[in-house]
Amino acid sequence: AAGVIQSPRHLIKEKRETATLKCYPIPRHDTVYWYQQGPGQDPQFLISFYEKMQSDKGSIPDRFSAQQFSDYHSELNMSSLELGDSALYFCASRTGTSGPQETQYFGPGTRLLVL
Amino acid sequence: QKEVEQNSGPLSVPEGAIASLNCTYSDRGSQSFFWYRQYSGKSPELIMFIYSNGDKEDGRFTAQLNKASQYVSLLIRDSQPSDSATYLCAVIVTGGGNKLTFGTGTQLKVEL
Repeated sequence: AAGVIQSPRHLIKEKRETATLKCYPIPRHDTVYWYQQGPGQDPQFLISFYEKMQSDKGSIPDRFSAQQFSDYHSELNMSSLELGDSALYFCASRTGTSGPQETQYFGPGTRLLVL
Repeated sequence: QKEVEQNSGPLSVPEGAIASLNCTYSDRGSQSFFWYRQYSGKSPELIMFIYSNGDKEDGRFTAQLNKASQYVSLLIRDSQPSDSATYLCAVIVTGGGNKLTFGTGTQLKVEL
């Protein structure tokens, strides 16, 4: 079965640079979630989209922005990168029509290292 | 206080034993509960979900939910070395936009 695709899988950037992370949800999934997981930490919710509209916002820095496109893929744009942004970034997708019971499926993640 | 609490472990059990992982949550509005398994550097993988009080069994895994005590657990029977991983408890809170709120995870080590 098709899974969530994330690209790139690994990314190395310098401080103050920008980065763009991409997420391609499972086909027919219309809801995308972004999570950040620092070393030894649990995943922290950043932002979510349902039907191309932002549906919820968590602890996402103002330096970050995201959007969901007409084909339901999503991009997380990160500017003025800081050392503390080094983390695993996961995207998860689900269908938005079945209420909270519907499972979120996680992509393999993008490992971002800021030097 | 974190919204979802787990003992970070490590929890060590011998191969073939039952591993018991526990999770408490603070928001009584929580309505959906998930257990994810995460190997180091990999993405969380869903093991079980539970919405109703009581037990739910799936193969070697049993999830238990007690909403009155705000407690959810995961039992792993016949533990295998491949079960060694971090187990994340996650909760969806009513009105929380369906985002997952995770505990810090319990590291499980199954020893030969």
